[in-house]
Amino acid sequence: QKEVEQNSGPLSVPEGAIASLNCTYSDRGSQSFFWYRQYSGKSPELIMFIYSNGDKEDGRFTAQLNKASQYVSLLIRDSQPSDSATYLCAVDTGRRALTFGSGTRLQVQP
Amino acid sequence: ETGVTQSPTHLIKTRGQQVTLRCSSQSGHNTVSWYQQALGQGPQFIFQYYREEENGRGNFPPRFSGLQFPNYSSELNVNALELDDSALYLCASSWDRGNSGANVLTFGAGSRLTVL
Repeated sequence: QKEVEQNSGPLSVPEGAIASLNCTYSDRGSQSFFWYRQYSGKSPELIMFIYSNGDKEDGRFTAQLNKASQYVSLLIRDSQPSDSATYLCAVDTGRRALTFGSGTRLQVQP
Repeated sequence: ETGVTQSPTHLIKTRGQQVTLRCSSQSGHNTVSWYQQALGQGPQFIFQYYREEENGRGNFPPRFSGLQFPNYSSELNVNALELDDSALYLCASSWDRGNSGANVLTFGAGSRLTVL
C-alpha cells in the first residue's frame, strides 16, 4: 500500500462546476496535509495546507480533513480552464519530509 | 523577496558521469530539501539540509549527496549516473520551526536531468 494515494485521473469537469479531488494516507501519525498544483513542465506550487479536522477555505478552494478516516480532499468551486493541472496531495509525517501522492490530473472543459 | 532559484534548468549527461545541481533558497528560509520527480510521479524526498548538515534522508543511495552553504544555498551531487536518474530535480526551501508549525515548502523551477 502506498503511503499517499490519489486517483490519477484525468478528472474532467465542465467550466463553472465543482471539482473534487481526494487523497488517502496510511500513516496515522501524519500531522499536516498539503495540496500543491503543478502545471505541465512546471514545479509544484502550494495551494493550501490543513492540520486540523474539518474544513479550511481559501477563495475558491476548500480543503477537508478527516483524520479518523485518513482522508483529505480538495474542492475547487467555479472551476476555470486555468485550473487544469495536476494536483498533488502531500503529507508531513513529522520526519522532516513531505510524502507526495502521484497526483490527480484535472481537466476543466470550457 | 526572492524565490527559490535553481541551475541549470536542463542538462544531458551520459551513464557513469557525475552531475552537480545548484539551488538558492528563498530569502528568510534556513532549510533546503531536494526532491526527485520522475515523469508521471509525485516528488520523492532525497534529503534535507539545515545548518549545513544533512537533517533527514529518503530512500536514495549514497551516490546522491549534498551540501548546504552558510548563505543557505545548496548543491545536489549525483555520482555514477544511471538511466533511472533521469528526472526533474526540485529544490525546496522552508523555515524550520522545530516541531511546531506546518512544514511549508517553496519549490524552485527545477533542473531537468536526462541521462543517456
